[in-house]
Amino acid sequence: DGGITQSPKYLFRKEGQNVTLSCEQNLNHDAMYWYRQDPGQGLRLIYYSQIVNDFQKGDIAEGYSVSREKKESFPLTVTSAQKNPTAFYLCASSIGARADNEQFFGPGTRLTVL
Amino acid sequence: GESVGLHLPTLSVQEGDNSIINCAYSNSASDYFIWYKQESGKGPQFIIDIRSNMDKRQGQRVTVLLNKTVKHLSLQIAATQPGDSAVYFCAENSGGYQKVTFGTGTKLQVIP
Repeated sequence: DGGITQSPKYLFRKEGQNVTLSCEQNLNHDAMYWYRQDPGQGLRLIYYSQIVNDFQKGDIAEGYSVSREKKESFPLTVTSAQKNPTAFYLCASSIGARADNEQFFGPGTRLTVL
Repeated sequence: GESVGLHLPTLSVQEGDNSIINCAYSNSASDYFIWYKQESGKGPQFIIDIRSNMDKRQGQRVTVLLNKTVKHLSLQIAATQPGDSAVYFCAENSGGYQKVTFGTGTKLQVIP
């Protein structure tokens, strides 16, 4: 089965700790994205990567970091500098970075910082 | 700033009836629009898209209408089924590269 996976589904961390969210795709897609979703709000772009070894900040990159060492993987680290990290995090990928390239989303990771 | 939004946060529809979900956008430069469906606890799923050179596009049981004059987008679902219950997002793209702005979403509740 081809698809995009995120793990874990639920994640709990203590305040002040860094945490890394996993995102893997076997769709052979070049572009990958991280979004944050808060209740009553639309998805907001954190980081995106158009190709391996390259990534750009989205609208709310502060307090987050990413890497793209492999085409299949785009992990997101939520650092202690992120003031309100509790949220639902969604990873997506698309075959390319054109506006009309459909984005395929993973199931999401719900992060709760205690 | 430029934004994408929705008129109604929650829409309740009787099973078998048609549903209409509306979206207003403010960026007149937007040239590509997408509707997504998100079921509870899951990631969004692409439903249908439309380019700004079109005013209507049909899919299976869904139709998207675009009115550029009033900057309005709608999603029509025919013969709504319980499986259609979800949150629906409109999204726009006005950039030269892949960067999509999402609306806040409308929750569709189908009454059996």
